Amino acid sequence: DVQLTESGGGLVQPGGSLTLSCAASGFAFSTYWMHWVRQTPGKGLVWVSRLNSDGSRIYYADSVKGRFIISRDNAKNTLYLQMDSLKMEDTAVYYCAGGGPYSASPLENWGQGTLVTVSS
Amino acid sequence: QSALTQPPSASGSPGQSVTISCTGTSSDIGGYNYVSWFQQHPGKAPKLMIYEVNKRPSGVPDRFSGSKSGNTASLTVSGLQAEDEADYYCSSYAGSNVLFGGGTKLTVL
Repeated sequence: DVQLTESGGGLVQPGGSLTLSCAASGFAFSTYWMHWVRQTPGKGLVWVSRLNSDGSRIYYADSVKGRFIISRDNAKNTLYLQMDSLKMEDTAVYYCAGGGPYSASPLENWGQGTLVTVSS
Repeated sequence: QSALTQPPSASGSPGQSVTISCTGTSSDIGGYNYVSWFQQHPGKAPKLMIYEVNKRPSGVPDRFSGSKSGNTASLTVSGLQAEDEADYYCSSYAGSNVLFGGGTKLTVL
């Protein structure tokens, strides 16, 4: 079975940093585009970032560009999101999602999410 | 990077059909046949229901169908069932980025 498991969420002060991880299993992780998507409690889904299979093509939403870094370790089947200069508006459940081998592959597999709370 | 536009709510009685719209621009929905629809129940992760405008992943009932005309995509749920009550989100590939709609809460009356 496909499994995506996020970890690393928690409470952090404004201006602080946090790194999220997403452990993948049950599919060819090293060949897939992977995404981070967030959801403010009670609100809608917002795409955050994505990268291709070898990490050579990376894209970010304008709201996080320059503050967040997406990366992956294919040897460990793990996706990361390093979040710096955190703002209160970054408070959300962060999901990792598996696309597919193509840039426009749909987000077919999702983790259960990890909650990030930015508050003083 | 504006979000796609969805109605905040939709409703129908069991057995009826309901259609949810999703409006974008020529840079996203209108420019690519890469529209997806996701279903999300409270406290759960999103679930892919439709991809590439009108394709269903394995296991998704054929009561769910998708279409697109110009810059607007639509999700139709036929033969509404109680378990279809959920939030629905559209999404579109937009070149380097991915856009989501604001979500539509579907209520089964």
